[in-house]
Amino acid sequence: GAVVSQHPSWVICKSGTSVKIECRSLDFQATTMFWYRQFPKQSLMLMATSNEGSKATYEQGVEKDKFLINHASLTLSTLTVTSAHPEDSSFYICSAPDLAAPYEQYFGPGTRLTVT
Amino acid sequence: GQNIDQPTEMTATEGAIVQINCTYQTSGFNGLFWYQQHAGEAPTFLSYNVLDGLEEKGRFSSFLSRSKGYSYLLLKELQMKDSASYLCAVPLRDQAGTALIFGKGTTLSVSS
Repeated sequence: GAVVSQHPSWVICKSGTSVKIECRSLDFQATTMFWYRQFPKQSLMLMATSNEGSKATYEQGVEKDKFLINHASLTLSTLTVTSAHPEDSSFYICSAPDLAAPYEQYFGPGTRLTVT
Repeated sequence: GQNIDQPTEMTATEGAIVQINCTYQTSGFNGLFWYQQHAGEAPTFLSYNVLDGLEEKGRFSSFLSRSKGYSYLLLKELQMKDSASYLCAVPLRDQAGTALIFGKGTTLSVSS
């Protein structure tokens, strides 16, 4: 099956700094990828849709200037958390749709961000 | 919009059977997913139901009633490794390649 990877798997940064998280489709091309955020003991919340070659689409309540998304190629989307604060500490997961099964998704392993 | 409701927590013992319910309200319907998620890991796919009825896959089965907006995940012969969060999800939009909207998840604790 298709594989989606994320890097790093975990990161600790200081408040006010920026952190970049990469999401890669390893053996298939993904024109669309999704970014989710999951706080402890809560479910996955869709943050934004990353579109190759065009601007990302953000869900209501997600600050596009704080969470910068770049889908530079058909296999790579990046999420940059700018000026991170402790409340941004969360588990960030990306996914890519399975074009052979239109509503299914391949999920990355997630990135644990801790802002101190 | 979509609204998904499922119990927050459930407990069961090894070898038992447990049923996790999910009710949903959606503007359209394009199927319902169940995912399993262990702490600190990404969700793993369990099932996808688009037609009414029960689909069995080994120890796990999933049921859907579209008229009632209801689904359940049935886990048989529970094992300790089944302790995880179980997420009910529906597609965000009526188009291929759309994102998923997840329920809050049901944390299942299996004890010996």
